[in-house]
This record gives sequence, C-alpha cells and structure tokens, in this order.
Amino acid sequence: GENVEQHPSTLSVQEGDSAVIKCTYSDSASNYFPWYKQELGKRPQLIIDIRSNVGEKKDQRIAVTLNKTAKHFSLHITETQPEDSAVYFCAGVNQAGTALIFGKGTTLSVSS
Amino acid sequence: KAGVTQTPRYLIKTRGQQVTLSCSPISGHRSVSWYQQTPGQGLQFLFEYFSETQRNKGNFPGRFSGRQFSNSRSEMNVSTLELGDSALYLCASSGGQSGSEKLFFGSGTQLSVL
Repeated sequence: GENVEQHPSTLSVQEGDSAVIKCTYSDSASNYFPWYKQELGKRPQLIIDIRSNVGEKKDQRIAVTLNKTAKHFSLHITETQPEDSAVYFCAGVNQAGTALIFGKGTTLSVSS
Repeated sequence: KAGVTQTPRYLIKTRGQQVTLSCSPISGHRSVSWYQQTPGQGLQFLFEYFSETQRNKGNFPGRFSGRQFSNSRSEMNVSTLELGDSALYLCASSGGQSGSEKLFFGSGTQLSVL
C-alpha cells in the first residue's frame, strides 16, 4: 500500500525566513497530494493540494511542488510568520483510492 | 452548516475495558474516515466508510472496529483496551465519493487508558 515519508520532523526558523518540508511516496499511481496544517489543540485543516497533472501550485505565501519521476513533493512557505507555527502533514492516496495516508508530520516553529 | 462533531471529547478508561466513539459528519457527506493520532506517529489511518460499507482498514488489530449508519453517522469501537491505545481519535468526513478527497476533521476524542 501507499507509504508516505515526511522530513524533517521538526523545523525551527526565524520570522521572515522560508521553510521547506519534503515528502516521498511509494505508489507511482498516486495522483493527489494534499497538505494539512494542525495548530496546537485544533483540528487538521487542508491548506493546499496538488494533482499529478501539474508540477507546482501557489497560494499566496505557500506553494507545493511535485516531482512524479522522483516520487516526492514539497511544501514551501515564504516570509514565515509566528502564526505559521503548527504541525504540517503531507498525504498521499491509498491504493484503493478511498483514503488519505499521512506522513508523520513536521512541527514548524517560527520565532520572532 | 455544522462541522464534523465527535463525542465524547474526553474519555478515561482502564485496561481491558471497551469504548465506543461517535462521529457525525457534515450534512450530506457520505464518506467517514477514522484516524489515530499519537505524538511522533502522526495520523494513522484506521478505516473508511461510505454508504454503510467499510472499504478499507488500516494496519490495526481486530480490537478496532467500526460501523456507519444509514444517516452517515459513524462509530468506532475498541475492545480490550491496552495502554498503547491512549491517543486522540479523529474522524473526518468528505463530500466526495471517497475519503481521499478534501477531508473535514472533527475535534477528536482524547482517550486515556490507565
């Protein structure tokens, strides 16, 4: 089945710096890659996603890139702010196409 | 539109007991997925239901089971609780045809096994 590896597990940056989180997946048939953000004590929420027919997608300060050949995708956050501090999860789709399989998460800390 | 509702919010049980958690999806959503969240292990997939049918199950022992009712509400049950079952259990609903589309999560049930 699908396996999603996420790195790093923790990331600390200064306000204004960029942050990059990387994920690799195992199932070459996967075609949908979302990113969820979970603030402390809150529920995970979708922040951006990408489908396999595009290589990059941007939404203001966040962007996701996909390299299907290498089977990895990345989340890029520019001009980080303290409110970006959270746990970020990447995900891929299971073989049956019925569920999301998540990476173990990256705890991002942005200090001002 | 009300969000995904999970009850109870907190549960304390002892080893060997069983527990039932409830999830009410967003109105109109037919897919409900369950995840176990623990520090360091992230969100581990338990199972996904669509129209009362379990379509997939994650790598969890048979002590973990669930069901979905005709109104799409779902329950999960854990029997013979172990200390390692202490976790936040999240359910999520999706408005599409599967749990691989945009998920809306509930606030979770925090289970503590003593």
